[in-house]
Amino acid sequence: QKEVEQDPGPLSVPEGAIVSLNCTYSNSAFQYFMWYRQYSRKGPELLMYTYSSGNKEDGRFTAQVDKSSKYISLFIRDSQPSDSATYLCAPRSNTGKLIFGQGTTLQVKP
Amino acid sequence: DAGVIQSPRHEVTEMGQEVTLRCKPISGHNSLFWYRQTMMRGLELLIYFNNNVPIDDSGMPEDRFSAKMPNASFSTLKIQPSEPRDSAVYFCASSLGDRHTGELFFGEGSRLTVL
Repeated sequence: QKEVEQDPGPLSVPEGAIVSLNCTYSNSAFQYFMWYRQYSRKGPELLMYTYSSGNKEDGRFTAQVDKSSKYISLFIRDSQPSDSATYLCAPRSNTGKLIFGQGTTLQVKP
Repeated sequence: DAGVIQSPRHEVTEMGQEVTLRCKPISGHNSLFWYRQTMMRGLELLIYFNNNVPIDDSGMPEDRFSAKMPNASFSTLKIQPSEPRDSAVYFCASSLGDRHTGELFFGEGSRLTVL
């Protein structure tokens, strides 16, 4: 079993839709949970992160962690074509190492 | 700031040839990471340097791979001899801090094709 599981998609939605991206993980010691966004033929860039369980909101983006079920979510409200990218969840292990998920490819159609 | 700079952006080579990928981290960052990304395996950490010293090379697939960081502004990843299964996008990333702070700054990657 992989430490972090993420459905690769692709996920295609119309502009304005609410998008839900999810990951599951197996290591209960993870405390920090990052989301990276990667545009085609570019390197990943940090989108946002949360610590432990709970929600964190940043504009149209909300990151959510449920440690009891080892479930990580990223919600995008009012999705835009410019949100089309691959989204990678990346919990941080207790040794400080980031464990990246496979990434989910999102396409937002105008 | 120019960000993390990688070269070459694209490399096509034949099996058995030596490949050298280069990275210039962001000035002032003291941690440097080499990752490999493939469709099958996603983004995998190969090696991590802190203050130019290799800290964790457990992700280096085999002895054909080697990495060096002779100074704070330059690192190389070498594959010798290369094999078709090494075809991937190789990313270099840097960060400030002595551990993974979570905010890694990635370069645009070096796309390697081994025929």
